[in-house]
Amino acid sequence: RKEVEQDPGPFNVPEGATVAFNCTYSNSASQSFFWYRQDCRKEPKLLMSVYSSGNEDGRFTAQLNRASQYISLLIRDSKLSDSATYLCVVGLSSNTGKLIFGQGTTLQVKP
Amino acid sequence: GAVVSQHPSWVICKSGTSVKIECRSLDFQATTMFWYRQFPKQSLMLMATSNEGSKATYEQGVEKDKFLINHASLTLSTLTVTSAHPEDSSFYICRADKEGNEQFFGPGTRLTVL
Repeated sequence: RKEVEQDPGPFNVPEGATVAFNCTYSNSASQSFFWYRQDCRKEPKLLMSVYSSGNEDGRFTAQLNRASQYISLLIRDSKLSDSATYLCVVGLSSNTGKLIFGQGTTLQVKP
Repeated sequence: GAVVSQHPSWVICKSGTSVKIECRSLDFQATTMFWYRQFPKQSLMLMATSNEGSKATYEQGVEKDKFLINHASLTLSTLTVTSAHPEDSSFYICRADKEGNEQFFGPGTRLTVL
């Protein structure tokens, strides 16, 4: 079983749609959680951290369910520029700073 | 904001040659740097953790004699792929952490081994 699992997609949605991505992780001792965005042939860029209380940044909302070891990302009012691969990332409990990346979910927003 | 650079951004080499990739933190000191590898349509896989002034810690399955890591200063870590083969062709990305665990990724180096 992969340490961080995501549906690779692709998710093809029209502009303005709301789309949700899910992610599960296997290590219950994981301490930090993130969503990164990666454009083709580029490095990943931090989209947002994810907290147990849930957090929102503009059109993006992230949720964490520690009991179910489940993380979600909701994108409202999709823009063409949102087309990218979204990586679910989990930080382990030690202080090594080790991050485990999911395979990523590809989003294509179409006009 | 903090910037991490990598050099070269892409490289093509013949099988059997060695390739050195540099990762620099441009405006902060990074005691820890990380090296990742990403094959097409796959996730970033951590190869090793590099600490300034000490030996790197390699992940299981990563050959330390093939992927030489040197973290000689607080702003520079290098990854040398020795005797590269076509299966080493990949996207290599470094990450440098600022104090307070802020994470910054380099732009990546695309290696193609012919």
